[in-house]
This record gives sequence, C-alpha cells and structure tokens, in this order.
Amino acid sequence: EVQLVQSGAEVKKPGESLKISCKTSGYTFTSYWIGWVRQMPGKGLEWMGIIHPSDSDTRYSPSFQGQVTISADKSINTAYLQWSSLKASDIGMYYCARMLTWPEPFDIWGQGTLVTVSS
Amino acid sequence: DTVLTQSPGTLSLSPGQRATLSCRASQSVDSSHLAWYQQKPGQAPRLYIYGAYSRATGIPDRFSGGGSGTEFTLTINRLEPEDVAVYYCQQYGTPTPTFGQGTKLEIK
Repeated sequence: EVQLVQSGAEVKKPGESLKISCKTSGYTFTSYWIGWVRQMPGKGLEWMGIIHPSDSDTRYSPSFQGQVTISADKSINTAYLQWSSLKASDIGMYYCARMLTWPEPFDIWGQGTLVTVSS
Repeated sequence: DTVLTQSPGTLSLSPGQRATLSCRASQSVDSSHLAWYQQKPGQAPRLYIYGAYSRATGIPDRFSGGGSGTEFTLTINRLEPEDVAVYYCQQYGTPTPTFGQGTKLEIK
C-alpha cells in the first residue's frame, strides 16, 4: 500500500526555523515527484513546489520561491519542507503529495502537518 | 498564473439529485491538465478526476468531468450523503499549477 506519512503538528514562534517531513512507503521513492501544498485556516489549496528525489530537481511556485526549501533524502524515502525564519503568516496545514510525472496531478496525499506560528 | 474561479461557492441539494460544479479558467487550459479533488472535513484532498474526464482509481461512475478551453465541469449524479465535501479544480500545466477556491457541497 502506498503511504505518505507526515510528521506531527508544530507550534513555533516567529523567527524560528522548522523542518517538517513526509515519509513514503509502498512505491519506488525515486520514480515519483513529491510536492507540497499549503492550506491556510478555512482557505483553499496552494501549490508550493515539487522535488524529484532521484536528482533533487526542484520547482517552486513564484509565491513560495525563497520562502521555503524543499528537499529529499532518498536513503530514507523522505521529503522535507523547511523554513529558516517562520512568520505568523506561515500558519496552516501543509500536505505532501505524490506525482508520477511533471506535469500531472497529485494522486496520493499525506495526512497533513499543522503548523502554528504564534508569539 | 492561470486563475481558476469555481462556482457556485456553496451548493445545497437533496439526496438523489444531480450536482453540477463549474470551474472557469482565466486563460485556456489544456484539457489533459485539469483535475478535480474532493476534500472532506478534517481530511486531505483526494484525486477524483484527471485529464478533465478520467476518473481516478476507485472513484464511482456517478462522478464525471467535462469541458474544455476555459470552462470545465464536475457532475455528480445521484447524490449521496457521503458526497458532502469541498471540491477543488486544479490546472496542472506548467510553469505553476493552480487550484480554484473550492465549491462546498451540502446535502440537505
């Protein structure tokens, strides 16, 4: 069974750094892209960016370029989303999801990681 | 970026009825790059339709997608209580995929 299991909820202060994870199983990690999608409280979905774990080819939405870093560790089949300095506006649910080729839709999603940023 | 506008914002129908959800794009979208997702409260989105018309694995044939160019639709026949959710369209063309703002489907 294909699974994307994300790390647990985080509560951070503005200015702190954060790295959340998406551990995959049930398929060949290096054969699919992994993407990240933000959902702010009560709002819709925002496509953030994707990475291909085989060579770390990464594409970002212009809205998120420079704001976050997407990475992957193919030795442990895990993708990451990180912030170097969180803002209050980074609050939201973050989903990782799998994509076979680019461009394609996301066919399998993680359960989401809730990020709260508050002083 | 291509802006997707979904209508109506909320749709309230009775069991057994047909729901028609609309997704309008600010510029023409390749039909092979249009998807629909269902998101139930407290859950992650789930892919329902891709390539504008094709159902994803395990999706019942009550769900069908259509349209082309700048106008796309998701039709749900014979509504069931389990269909209560927010439905999002997505264009996944390059360089940046975008989502619509969602249509909330309520079952009376």
